[in-house]
Amino acid sequence: SQQGEEDPQALSIQEGENATMNCSYKTSINNLQWYRQNSGRGLVHLILIRSNEREKHSGRLRVTLDTSKKSSSLLITASRAADTASYFCATGGGYSGYSTLTFGKGTMLLVSP
Amino acid sequence: DVKVTQSSRYLVKRTGEKVFLECVQDMDHENMFWYRQDPGLGLRLIYFSYDVKMKEKGDIPEGYSVSREKKERFSLILESASTNQTSMYLCASSRVDARRGQETQYFGPGTRLLVL
Repeated sequence: SQQGEEDPQALSIQEGENATMNCSYKTSINNLQWYRQNSGRGLVHLILIRSNEREKHSGRLRVTLDTSKKSSSLLITASRAADTASYFCATGGGYSGYSTLTFGKGTMLLVSP
Repeated sequence: DVKVTQSSRYLVKRTGEKVFLECVQDMDHENMFWYRQDPGLGLRLIYFSYDVKMKEKGDIPEGYSVSREKKERFSLILESASTNQTSMYLCASSRVDARRGQETQYFGPGTRLLVL
């Protein structure tokens, strides 16, 4: 079952602008992760934020997590054409090695030069 | 760097054929996963394995089976391929952290399967 839902489904911006994507989920989580997928390729992990964290940074990426609203946002600052990709949030629940991630359907980001 | 490889990038098969998709990871990860990805449906988990010879059904196991005889290798088998199994198949692996739960998954490049 799909738990994470990204919003918007598609986003088109100019180089240099900031891109914000949102993710909502339904049940309690252990962590929330963001992945990027370039066209026709596998997913690449970007950042993981745990349920007891509220904000995390990695380079031009900033992720926030609001567990009371069951939502997260991914901000890409000063976007580049190379950021064009699909972005997925994935929620991890459970504390055993048997737990899995549940992926959303993704946000397609287009950054125009 | 973690490396997850998949046996084929593109594959064309006929309806009714038995299809094997192979996945190998080189980081000694306990967990391995098979997903399929379709437009508008996102990633859906088919099967996963948390140890050698162990397997668990995901959300959409029907029409698929898996095999994990060695820790580094996880195979997805389509016993009798059908046209509705045309899709992008993604393999992933991850380590186990009993305290922290599901950690980062590392993905292979994907296999685009066309069933005619």
